[in-house]
Amino acid sequence: AQKITQTQPGMFVQEKEAVTLDCTYDTSDPSYGLFWYKQPSSGEMIFLIYQGSYDQQNATEGRYSLNFQKARKSANLVISASQLGDSAMYFCAMGTGTASKLTFGTGTRLQVTL
Amino acid sequence: GAVVSQHPSRVICKSGTSVKIECRSLDFQATTMFWYRQFPKKSLMLMATSNEGSKATYEQGVEKDKFLINHASLTLSTLTVTSAHPEDSSFYICSAGAWASGRYNEQFFGPGTRLTVL
Repeated sequence: AQKITQTQPGMFVQEKEAVTLDCTYDTSDPSYGLFWYKQPSSGEMIFLIYQGSYDQQNATEGRYSLNFQKARKSANLVISASQLGDSAMYFCAMGTGTASKLTFGTGTRLQVTL
Repeated sequence: GAVVSQHPSRVICKSGTSVKIECRSLDFQATTMFWYRQFPKKSLMLMATSNEGSKATYEQGVEKDKFLINHASLTLSTLTVTSAHPEDSSFYICSAGAWASGRYNEQFFGPGTRLTVL
């Protein structure tokens, strides 16, 4: 069975600082994809970044980077130079196998302060 | 590209009525769509997987007679909440599978529908 664990229910970060949101996963499938989504108060799920299990390099998308440590089964999201607009819920998710489903973590609520 | 729309975005109904929510892939064909339910400050809970031209696959604990799913075309899936009650009030999100994206099991999400049952 697949499992995603996000241990930080809430995080605070000052504007312009970097923040790391933790995500660990568990799967026996050798092929999988890891996703991070941002969900603002409006409710839409905004794709941020993707890491494939066979990718050699850590993914980066603008201010977002993914610290992928395969042996530790962790896929932490790093947001650099935080902005007030980054305040939202952040979900880590994993897709494995041929079932095409995504398994979501419980989310981390990030608050960016002045 | 890869836009998924949902309609309506918000609906308020009386207890006992049925509500239909539409999910459309606007610029691509989606053989598989997914329906999620999200309670306030909680994660997304997968309700069912909707496959074009066949019956939906429901997750354990989801009442198939309560939440009717129809995926009649490659661009449209509908979720009907039958005889809605206040406990069905929730945020419902659909997504469409994107097989050609190169990202393993990627899904494109609709903007969600907020259902309030009085």
